Amino acid sequence: QSVLTQPPSVSAAPGQKVTISCSGGTSNFGNSYVSWYQQLPGTAPKLLIYENNKRPSGIPDRFSGSKSGTSATLGITGLQTGDEADYYCETWDSSLSALLFGGGTKLTVL
Amino acid sequence: QVQLQESGPALVKPSQTLSLTCNVSGGSISSDTYYWNWIRQSAGKGLEWIGRVDTSGSTNYNPSLKSRVTISVDTSKNHFSLKLSSVTAADTAVYYCARRHCGRTSCFEDYWGQGTLVTVSS
Repeated sequence: QSVLTQPPSVSAAPGQKVTISCSGGTSNFGNSYVSWYQQLPGTAPKLLIYENNKRPSGIPDRFSGSKSGTSATLGITGLQTGDEADYYCETWDSSLSALLFGGGTKLTVL
Repeated sequence: QVQLQESGPALVKPSQTLSLTCNVSGGSISSDTYYWNWIRQSAGKGLEWIGRVDTSGSTNYNPSLKSRVTISVDTSKNHFSLKLSSVTAADTAVYYCARRHCGRTSCFEDYWGQGTLVTVSS
């Protein structure tokens, strides 16, 4: 069971918007930034969001991130079938001195 | 362009030691800006951090695996390695190596290997 909690699955229709939540604790979210990764089927994870809300070069602005207190949210607008993937939040836990991943959320674009 | 490539045996017998190497190309492993991670994923499951090493050889490990894990770095060969001892079927997974980039304010994994499947079976 992951220390960071994500919903197992979310779904929405093409063109719609979806949000994925990630909740943690003060020893992780309270001290560190959150990153989000997209894992397409059969591939390695790919950085989607870093420092809570920043997008690496090449990531479209349909993807956004936010953080408030001990929760973070990934937002995806204008959903496309190619967005179907598993999404993971991640942060560093200062009390454990360990990198933490959320359990992952499977996005289905109906 | 930085590339990471995992290598090692695809099949390991129970109770033996799993050994993998991650070769880094397109950039130097010797930088204070980076940590070098091992992360694994069992079939149908989420990502599990195994541990990390920096260029000085300083390490951090997942507390749940710490007693069995050793991660080391060889700057002369531009690679880092993972050893996981006393493996069981529960250690069967795709193993990824990843670079953790630490800027002035935050850290994140910006480059990943393609992953290598390691099966523990007799």
